[in-house]
Amino acid sequence: DIQMTQSPSTLSASVGDRVTITCRASQSISRWVAWYQQKPGKAPKLLIYRASTLESGVPARFSGSGSGTEFTLTISSLQSDDFATYHCQHYNSYFGQGTKVEIK
Amino acid sequence: QVQLVQSGAEVKKPGASVKISCKASGYTFNDYYLHWVRQAPGQGLEWMGIINPNGGSTSYAENFLGRATMTTDTSTSTVYMELNSLRSEDTAVYYCARDGGDYLPGLDYWGQGALVTVSS
Repeated sequence: DIQMTQSPSTLSASVGDRVTITCRASQSISRWVAWYQQKPGKAPKLLIYRASTLESGVPARFSGSGSGTEFTLTISSLQSDDFATYHCQHYNSYFGQGTKVEIK
Repeated sequence: QVQLVQSGAEVKKPGASVKISCKASGYTFNDYYLHWVRQAPGQGLEWMGIINPNGGSTSYAENFLGRATMTTDTSTSTVYMELNSLRSEDTAVYYCARDGGDYLPGLDYWGQGALVTVSS
């Protein structure tokens, strides 16, 4: 099975900061990665699929990149609504451990 | 609008089984695979498996082989996930989620979650 390793596990940042989260696959998975945002007590929300395609309605400050084994989710200018936990997923398979973005 | 509505919270004893339902509406049920994902308290997301509502074929994560069973009822647009031999570590919120398919490879709609508590 392909394992997904996400880092960091926690990230402290301020409104307006640029934030980057990394996900590494244990073997090449082309661009078969999705990213999700989850807030406490809520189901995850799809942000990005196929590594870099923004889901409809997701703000343009979110972007994804990467292929093969290394992928990143970037928030260009962190907003108050973005404090949440972010998860990567190898499509149809395992998730990373999650990254909690908290207020600095 | 697309909706996935799950059954309610359950409390089970160790060794028992639980069966959770996920009723889909707002789209053609047979056209989209459905996944099951769980989240233990304070933990990350754990992928459990996938079912094709059209025919019922399944694929399970290694951790759940032989213990989880996913089924479908096309007459009611409902999928089910049964987990056997429950232990305390199975205490979690269980989600169903729709797979967006070839053009949107990601889980685009989620159920509200069903909390399963395993306790003696």
